[in-house]
Amino acid sequence: DGGITQSPKYLFRKEGQNVTLSCEQNLNHDAMYWYRQDPGQGLRLIYYSQIVNDFQKGDIAEGYSVSREKKESFPLTVTSAQKNPTAFYLCASSMTGGSYNEQFFGPGTRLTVL
Amino acid sequence: AQSVAQPEDQVNVAEGNPLTVKCTYSVSGNPYLFWYVQYPNRGLQFLLKYITGDNLVKGSYGFEAEFNKSQTSFHLKKPSALVSDSALYFCAVRDEGFQKLVFGTGTRLLVSP
Repeated sequence: DGGITQSPKYLFRKEGQNVTLSCEQNLNHDAMYWYRQDPGQGLRLIYYSQIVNDFQKGDIAEGYSVSREKKESFPLTVTSAQKNPTAFYLCASSMTGGSYNEQFFGPGTRLTVL
Repeated sequence: AQSVAQPEDQVNVAEGNPLTVKCTYSVSGNPYLFWYVQYPNRGLQFLLKYITGDNLVKGSYGFEAEFNKSQTSFHLKKPSALVSDSALYFCAVRDEGFQKLVFGTGTRLLVSP
């Protein structure tokens, strides 16, 4: 998990609330990613960013929003529009410039809707 | 579209025995293949990758993987399993030119003492 931090580790949200998950990296990576992990479904891509001030939707972006104002930071907001937000959220980063660069993952945030 | 399949939800092996975790892929261009491991309530850790060259790739913690183009497979192997290898293993693929990784659904490896 070295180089990428996620906070908080556990997060509880009431229905109707927006919450923001933090992701910071000190690896000097250009690209950052957010994934959602549910049991038996593997990892699904929510959003990704290849450069500051630019990001793209992944496969399940509805109900989520992101920003990339700094190279080191890629916060994810889970909005009230996300109907089933309880999941384990993983942030990752990688170098760009080649398809062969592996992604490095943070320790994750477990979000539970009460 | 890129895809990867892990046909086994769980693999059971006794400590000291060889282990294999299976992965098959489907891509339109050249495949870039990865294996990751996840311990409970943790992020994913990179194990190894295949880009080009030798079909047998060696990685971390004694793991290796065999790339087979004709069978479109990239199975993860280890000659002698340890109890501490018990974890969730993910195979992933990236198409040439694409920045996204596509992950399999994961295979749980249980190594018994």
